[in-house]
Amino acid sequence: QVQLQESGPGLVKPSQTLSLTCTVSGGSISSGSYYWSWIRQPAGKGLEWIGRIYTSGSTNYNPSLKSRVTISVDTSKNQFSLKLSSVTAADTAVYYCARDPIDYGDYVGAFDIWGQGTMVTVSS
Amino acid sequence: QSALTQPPSASGSPGQSVTISCTGTSSDVGGYNYVSWYQQHPGKAPKLMIYEVSKRPSGVPDRFSGSKSGNTASLTVSGLQAEDEADYYCSSYAGSNNPYVFGTGTKVTVL
Repeated sequence: QVQLQESGPGLVKPSQTLSLTCTVSGGSISSGSYYWSWIRQPAGKGLEWIGRIYTSGSTNYNPSLKSRVTISVDTSKNQFSLKLSSVTAADTAVYYCARDPIDYGDYVGAFDIWGQGTMVTVSS
Repeated sequence: QSALTQPPSASGSPGQSVTISCTGTSSDVGGYNYVSWYQQHPGKAPKLMIYEVSKRPSGVPDRFSGSKSGNTASLTVSGLQAEDEADYYCSSYAGSNNPYVFGTGTKVTVL
């Protein structure tokens, strides 16, 4: 059973860089059958897709965040990571990592497995 | 890319049905058959309920169904149960430049 777990600082100062890691267990991040996404949700608000990465390192980002986002993958650790630079209070949110299948017959175009989420607060 | 539009709230009595709409554009909902729906209980991660417009993952009750017409997708929950009370979000693939967009979310209340 594949599980995802987010980790990282819960408090980040304004203008600094938010860094989070998602650890994949119960399966290989290198399987080639999935993209790996980051999604966030401010308190009381809706979901926002941030970006995704494939095992090859190929990425797609939300245009509204693209200038500040970097997603990377470390296949040796079965992890992928998010960096969001120049953060402000508007970046305060619960951050989720999620799996995005690409194989025909799988849950294509959807996020089938999610981490539990990690709260990140931007404050001095 | 703007968020997909959902009604803020919907409600129904136990046993009744409720339908939630999700309106986008020809660049997302109308352009691809990759609409998915997620259920989110307070403090929990979203759970996939419908994918590819109308398909249910294993383990999701058949009370949940999805459909699409033009730029609007819909989720119907039939035979409402207390545990269906949650927030529901739609999502659509929107092309390679910005692959995913979410809906604004709908709070379903079981009266």
